[in-house]
Amino acid sequence: SYELTQPPSVSVSPGQTARITCSGDALPKQFAFWYQQKPGQAPVLVIYKDTERPSEIPERFSGSSSGTTVTLTISGVQAEDEADYFCQSSHGDGSFRVVFGAGTKLTVL
Amino acid sequence: QVHMVQSGGGEVQPGRSLRLSCEVSGFTFSRYGLHWVRQAPGKGLEWVAEIWYDGSHEDYVDSVKGRFTISRDNSRNTLFLQMNSLRAEDTAIYYCARARLYNSDGYYYDHWGPGSRVTVS
Repeated sequence: SYELTQPPSVSVSPGQTARITCSGDALPKQFAFWYQQKPGQAPVLVIYKDTERPSEIPERFSGSSSGTTVTLTISGVQAEDEADYFCQSSHGDGSFRVVFGAGTKLTVL
Repeated sequence: QVHMVQSGGGEVQPGRSLRLSCEVSGFTFSRYGLHWVRQAPGKGLEWVAEIWYDGSHEDYVDSVKGRFTISRDNSRNTLFLQMNSLRAEDTAIYYCARARLYNSDGYYYDHWGPGSRVTVS
């Protein structure tokens, strides 16, 4: 199997910067994607292809990649950003074409 | 604007069947692959099944192979998931999602349905 590893939780105060990491052996050669999921709602794509942001997503959301780790950064966190965040990628050898991380709960203190 | 309306969830006994539907509007349905992704209570996301834009190819996670069937009706802009021989471990919210192929074998999802709750008990 192929796994993506995320921290279970991250906490920040409003206005601070939140960084959520996702690690996986295939990430140097496979894109990563990030989804935000608020309670009782469907996931929403917030970052695609490591660093791209859909037009409807606020500029405070950004993504980066370094080796086997990708990072979702939320600058100037707002209370409304409190949610679960899931990374997603693939293994790239024809198997495990859709793999999700276990998710990170972002708490805005 | 993309809309994905799901229906067909509910509570069933183990061994019984359910059929989920996902009716789509706002994009050319027949041009996109579609997937089902589920989320067990308090858990993460799990890919369940995929179908190509023209219905010519399907694939499933091992745990549902032989029990679930994904299909689509491009004339009705509707995606289906027929779930047979349901088990307690199939209890989850099931999301339909529009798939985007980003390389030869990787997908991501740019639009999701609201989810259908399935409880097997």
